[in-house]
Amino acid sequence: GAGVSQSPSNKVTEKGKDVELRCDPISGHTALYWYRQRLGQGLEFLIYFQGNSAPDKSGLPSDRFSAERTGESVSTLTIQRTQQEDSAVYLCASSLFTSGRATYNEQFFGPGTRLTVL
Amino acid sequence: TQLLEQSPQFLSIQEGENLTVYCNSSSVFSSLQWYRQEPGEGPVLLVTVVTGGEVKKLKRLTFQFGDARKDSSLHITAAQPGDTGLYLCAGDSNTGKLIFGQGTTLQVKP
Repeated sequence: GAGVSQSPSNKVTEKGKDVELRCDPISGHTALYWYRQRLGQGLEFLIYFQGNSAPDKSGLPSDRFSAERTGESVSTLTIQRTQQEDSAVYLCASSLFTSGRATYNEQFFGPGTRLTVL
Repeated sequence: TQLLEQSPQFLSIQEGENLTVYCNSSSVFSSLQWYRQEPGEGPVLLVTVVTGGEVKKLKRLTFQFGDARKDSSLHITAAQPGDTGLYLCAGDSNTGKLIFGQGTTLQVKP
């Protein structure tokens, strides 16, 4: 498909387990973002990848959270030793934004992964 | 730290009414975007405003960027139940990251 895809769409896990969330961005989009959204709330920035540059991890809430991106394609967000407070929708977005170029950072979002930690 | 204050947080109105959502900041943005999110889906970009004082219209939606590029508004005329959703503003300072407002949940009752 032409849009951002995420998998799984829903994930239920037990407290203490590790989870891995996947994001397939739009082909050719150099920038990729992960956000967390709690019920009825706005977006909480987690991490940002830009091409081959070091990612901006300033939004990761703890060292239990990590993310990787393979080149300019797939990204995975890993949450280790999940806690109930991690329950939320995790959204991925991609854009054509490139540092140093006059591009608007118009982001295209996937449908999200709803994570429930029991 | 850049902040974007969005108000109101929640709005429940009857079909046919008008409404305005505001986003305010003390920071200057190079552009500002508005997104709409429906339940179970990711946000979808509605519009990007770039120039101070700019007004853009999208059917019954009117978007305005403040002269100083620090604030923006979204006005909906004759709201319809299909307008129900979460509206998000996002400021772009060319840092690679967008600054999102807290969102406005709009409920339009038939």
